[in-house]
Amino acid sequence: NAGVTQTPKFRILKIGQSMTLQCTQDMNHNYMYWYRQDPGMGLKLIYYSVGAGITDKGEVPNGYNVSRSTTEDFPLRLELAAPSQTSVYFCASSWGGGGYTFGSGTRLTVV
Amino acid sequence: AQSVSQHNHHVILSEAASLELGCNYSYGGTVNLFWYVQYPGQHLQLLLKYFSGDPLVKGIKGFEAEFIKSKFSFNLRKPSVQWSDTAEYFCAVNAQTDSWGKLQFGAGTQVVVTP
Repeated sequence: NAGVTQTPKFRILKIGQSMTLQCTQDMNHNYMYWYRQDPGMGLKLIYYSVGAGITDKGEVPNGYNVSRSTTEDFPLRLELAAPSQTSVYFCASSWGGGGYTFGSGTRLTVV
Repeated sequence: AQSVSQHNHHVILSEAASLELGCNYSYGGTVNLFWYVQYPGQHLQLLLKYFSGDPLVKGIKGFEAEFIKSKFSFNLRKPSVQWSDTAEYFCAVNAQTDSWGKLQFGAGTQVVVTP
């Protein structure tokens, strides 16, 4: 049972480049989330989804996009990367009551 | 909107010392409460949770937390820490009326346990 799988684990992007962070879960959870973690700031919600085809913005959505075509996958797209997007990104899934299962994270550096 | 405040950003203590980490939240309604732990280089893992009932909840690895509704607090405790408890600890809150299950996290407390 893999849980929540994120790829890649590390990535360096140049300013203005784009990339997609992949997230897949095998627990049949309807709810999925993307957070970014910055030192001393805790985790901030970027986007979330409550099922295939249903997504909504979180607290810090600017510069990101998501899609949810299947229950399993919830990719996060960064368009026109900026240094402010340097962060660690975590994907999580849940049955809905707040008990999350997190992925191992993607450490992104924008230079 | 709810917010979560963790009192200490960094805590350093010796093995066998007792640990208490403070967490307060601001939200007028009923909440679910969580503590997550992040060991160095790893992802967050659920330590314990409170939904309802006995306000003293026990989690993994000897941790416990007490929900005090009148103080909007959910403090984490461990009577005797080990070096392996070195980690960052996050308090999180979910409003029970939030059908989307979104969590609001505190800023985290970095705990370092010295041998």
